[in-house]
Amino acid sequence: DGGITQSPKYLFRKEGQNVTLSCEQNLNHDAMYWYRQDPGQGLRLIYYSQIVNDFQKGDIAEGYSVSREKKESFPLTVTSAQKNPTAFYLCASEGQGTFGYTFGSGTRLTVV
Amino acid sequence: GENVEQHPSTLSVQEGDSAVIKCTYSDSASNYFPWYKQELGKRPQLIIDIRSNVGEKKDQRIAVTLNKTAKHFSLHITETQPEDSAVYFCAASRGAAGNKLTFGGGTRVLVKP
Repeated sequence: DGGITQSPKYLFRKEGQNVTLSCEQNLNHDAMYWYRQDPGQGLRLIYYSQIVNDFQKGDIAEGYSVSREKKESFPLTVTSAQKNPTAFYLCASEGQGTFGYTFGSGTRLTVV
Repeated sequence: GENVEQHPSTLSVQEGDSAVIKCTYSDSASNYFPWYKQELGKRPQLIIDIRSNVGEKKDQRIAVTLNKTAKHFSLHITETQPEDSAVYFCAASRGAAGNKLTFGGGTRVLVKP
């Protein structure tokens, strides 16, 4: 998957439940990002991390949380505070001295 | 923060014709402008990018132009083929790893055979 793996591919969440989306990369990239994509719309930034143990909120961070304990991993938790979580979630990474993201294959989250 | 607007939102062209997508950005410090192609249900793939020290870049049938003064950049696809049908996104950032990309809203391109 081009060095960046997202799992699961499909995820169903019940009302009031927290779920965690996995993102792992073996590209030795420092920067990692989470974006949300709604049908027919662009990508909106949720959180990003430029280095291990550090991350920043993006434009739509409310109801989400992240951690960056390892360089390779940047999991996203969708909490019960996120009122409309149904969307396609994309993780991306970017290396020093390179331009442009490498995207994972995405996780489609549906609230049931 | 940066704001990127993209037009048109949908574009239908006849096979063999050209397609042009335009984007404007707001942050004058932005200096890196990539374009991504996303097929249905798939991840976005980088197809071409341009940095602010260059006015135009071409790669086979695709080209990107940049006007820093006017803060707009465009994607040109010539001799369109059915496999060019996809959603295209423009984006902008201040460049260098760790500088987040701000994406436009996307253009759905349909190439009719």
